[in-house]
Amino acid sequence: TQLLEQSPQFLSIQEGENLTVYCNSSSVFSSLQWYRQEPGEGPVLLVTVVTGGEVKKLKRLTFQFGDARKDSSLHITAAQPGDTGLYLCAGPAGSSNTGKLIFGQGTTLQVKP
Amino acid sequence: GAVVSQHPSRVICKSGTSVKIECRSLDFQATTMFWYRQFPKQSLMLMATSNEGSKATYEQGVEKDKFLINHASLTLSTLTVTSAHPEDSSFYICSAREDRREQYFGPGTRLTVT
Repeated sequence: TQLLEQSPQFLSIQEGENLTVYCNSSSVFSSLQWYRQEPGEGPVLLVTVVTGGEVKKLKRLTFQFGDARKDSSLHITAAQPGDTGLYLCAGPAGSSNTGKLIFGQGTTLQVKP
Repeated sequence: GAVVSQHPSRVICKSGTSVKIECRSLDFQATTMFWYRQFPKQSLMLMATSNEGSKATYEQGVEKDKFLINHASLTLSTLTVTSAHPEDSSFYICSAREDRREQYFGPGTRLTVT
């Protein structure tokens, strides 16, 4: 069974601090995605990583896909209150392109001004 | 990016009644739509996959007679929660994709059963 384990589950930090969220699995994924979700809204795709070892940057957010394609991380530099939200990693379920996604448990991030 | 809408955004219904949630793809043809359920501060759990014109495929543990899914057109899928009970209260989110392309999520529907 494919599982995605995210850590930490909750994170409360001060504005300006750096943080890293991890997404780990014992299974190999063809790709992993990171989403951000605000209360009462649907998740919004931030990035998709597809190549082992890949690093992608989105302003202050840096995403990395592990060499073995079993894990990924999200690093936020100089966090701002606007970064507050639920961060979810997700990967395709199974080996065929059904579109089904499995999600990690999510990391709730609170950035205090 | 592509837009997926959901209606209503919030609904309150009495126990024992049924409620219908709509999911629409506004600017693309959604050959596949997915329905998720999310409890507060928790992750999304896939409930079912629906392909246009065919019966939905439900995930293990999801009662298909309770959660009726219809995907009658390439832009609309509906989820009907039948004989709703307070434990069905949740945030329901749909997503849609055209063929094997990227999946886009709707804004969600908050269902409260009193």
